[in-house]
Amino acid sequence: DAGITQSPRHKVTETGTPVTLRCHQTENHRYMYWYRQDPGHGLRLIHYSYGVKDTDKGEVSDGYSVSRSKTEDFLLTLESATSSQTSVYFCAISGWGPNTEAFFGQGTRLTVV
Amino acid sequence: AQSVTQLGSHVSVSEGALVLLRCNYSSSVPPYLFWYVQYPNQGLQLLLKYTTGATLVKGINGFEAEFKKSETSFHLTKPSAHMSDAAEYFCAVSEASGTYKYIFGTGTRLKVLA
Repeated sequence: DAGITQSPRHKVTETGTPVTLRCHQTENHRYMYWYRQDPGHGLRLIHYSYGVKDTDKGEVSDGYSVSRSKTEDFLLTLESATSSQTSVYFCAISGWGPNTEAFFGQGTRLTVV
Repeated sequence: AQSVTQLGSHVSVSEGALVLLRCNYSSSVPPYLFWYVQYPNQGLQLLLKYTTGATLVKGINGFEAEFKKSETSFHLTKPSAHMSDAAEYFCAVSEASGTYKYIFGTGTRLKVLA
């Protein structure tokens, strides 16, 4: 299995609080991604990174920010959590080239109450 | 922009029957296509991928998919379903640009009946 670790695996937080999810890889892959998975929507891209300090928005980036200060770590922050951000969050990594597959972490189940 | 459409959010088959999960893509350039499987409470695992070359792609667990450019399709099949195949399946396309984003379909949940 690709070396991807997401933390925490489960979190319950209150509306309006900041939350940070961490993705750590040991594969030295250039590309890292954050997706959210919701019933009926599949996986939707939140933000992605194509190198240290190089990030860009995905299709559902509102309310989220990311940072990547090291190759191995990609952080996703919810500045002020809302109930609509209750979801399962997946981190993925990939090497260079569109024909390479993405490898996924085990996911973080976030509940905003 | 590239996209994928998976027809049927839920599919039920009997054990031993043919599995057919449908995926159509939209792309202005030759696509790179993937099928992933997700078992309950787990991450996504690659089943197979199409890049270039042979249009019939074989994957793990007896699954295969055929790339049909004329139909813009990449359907997933397995000749004989097993109970262990019950899972959610996702089709994805990779953007052939510098960022190599993966665009996923909405998924198909496969149920295998005894």
